[in-house]
Amino acid sequence: NAGVTQTPKFQVLKTGQSMTLQCAQDMNHEYMSWYRQDPGMGLRLIHYSVGAGITDQGEVPNGYNVSRSTTEDFPLRLLSAAPSQTSVYFCASSPTGQGYEQYFGPGTRLTVT
Amino acid sequence: SQKIEQNSEALNIQEGKTATLTCNYTNYSPAYLQWYRQDPGRGPVFLLLIRENEKEKRKERLKVTFDTTLKQSLFHITASQPADSATYLCASSGGRRALTFGSGTRLQVQP
Repeated sequence: NAGVTQTPKFQVLKTGQSMTLQCAQDMNHEYMSWYRQDPGMGLRLIHYSVGAGITDQGEVPNGYNVSRSTTEDFPLRLLSAAPSQTSVYFCASSPTGQGYEQYFGPGTRLTVT
Repeated sequence: SQKIEQNSEALNIQEGKTATLTCNYTNYSPAYLQWYRQDPGRGPVFLLLIRENEKEKRKERLKVTFDTTLKQSLFHITASQPADSATYLCASSGGRRALTFGSGTRLQVQP
């Protein structure tokens, strides 16, 4: 099993550009989520999904969109990048949700200039 | 609003000693707490989960306690080694069916 994979590892965007961060898992987990991690602030939840076709907002959803068309994939879209979105982004999955251990991907480091 | 807090100052200890990290929560009563380890440039890795009806959980050199009266969890690493140096994150059940994370405490074990 590859676990949770994320691409790209690094990305530099100009303000106003859009892009999609990819996340995939091969563990057949129902629950997937996206976090951003900023220095001194811990992990903050952006969006999450409890299964294919079902998504919901987390703590900091503005400026991001998600969709979940398959169990395996959970892409995160930045609609119009802003410098405030410079961060490290982590995707995570778990079998059924918050009551179980989360498996994290290696992260995507995004810089918006 | 619910908050989960960890000591943001780094903890420096000597090899062989016991490291104790603290996680405090306010304004809510989580059903469980989780602890993760994060190395620089990597994603967090799950270590232990403790539920509100459990006072203590152990795994090899790791021990976690959960005190619902003090609203606190303690994470212990006994016989610490330089390889234990990392940032340790506390997380709890929160709203929106997702975890709420603390900002983490960096542990440095000196040889």
